[in-house]
Amino acid sequence: EDKVVQSPLSLVVHEGDTVTLNCSYEVTNFRSLLWYKQEKKAPTFLFMLTSSGIEKKSGRLSSILDKKELFSILNITATQTGDSAIYLCAVRRDDKIIFGKGTRLHILP
Amino acid sequence: DADVTQTPRNRITKTGKRIMLECSQTKGHDRMYWYRQDPGLGLRLIYYSFDVKDINKGEISDGYSVSRQAQAKFSLSLESAIPNQTALYFCATSDPVGAGELFFGEGSRLTVL
Repeated sequence: EDKVVQSPLSLVVHEGDTVTLNCSYEVTNFRSLLWYKQEKKAPTFLFMLTSSGIEKKSGRLSSILDKKELFSILNITATQTGDSAIYLCAVRRDDKIIFGKGTRLHILP
Repeated sequence: DADVTQTPRNRITKTGKRIMLECSQTKGHDRMYWYRQDPGLGLRLIYYSFDVKDINKGEISDGYSVSRQAQAKFSLSLESAIPNQTALYFCATSDPVGAGELFFGEGSRLTVL
């Protein structure tokens, strides 16, 4: 059975800290791994990863994929209160897209 | 205007009532999806469709049905709503070319009393 597992499920840190969110997967016919940020409503797209070892960066956020060990990490450096959100990892197969349960991140001022 | 539009955005109904959630998109994508989100459970796939004649069950399709009326429209129905169907429902589209991200609607919050 396909599965996407995120850890930790919940995380509380202070502003300025660096956090690492984890996503492991067991999915047949892998096409890509996606990261989303969800605040109040719909998830917003962060990254799409298809190749191992190539880091994607956007400001203070970065992500990398390891297709041999079947995991990805999302790093956020110098966290800000606006980074408080649920971070969702998803894996795309040939047909459908499967989500993990998400990591709820709370940044204390 | 949003590329993926869901209606209604909020709905309160009673057990046993029939409910339809509608989704329309202007992105021209063939692939459309319905997900539900419950606290702590992430997004779970209910149904997905690759074109008007193609409908597929997701991981939690029991108690739901869908209709793909046109390339741009994909509706989700609850034939007889029950309280554990209280959730936030998202419609999404994707482009099959390339690795393809999902584009989400704003969500429909459904409460079944």
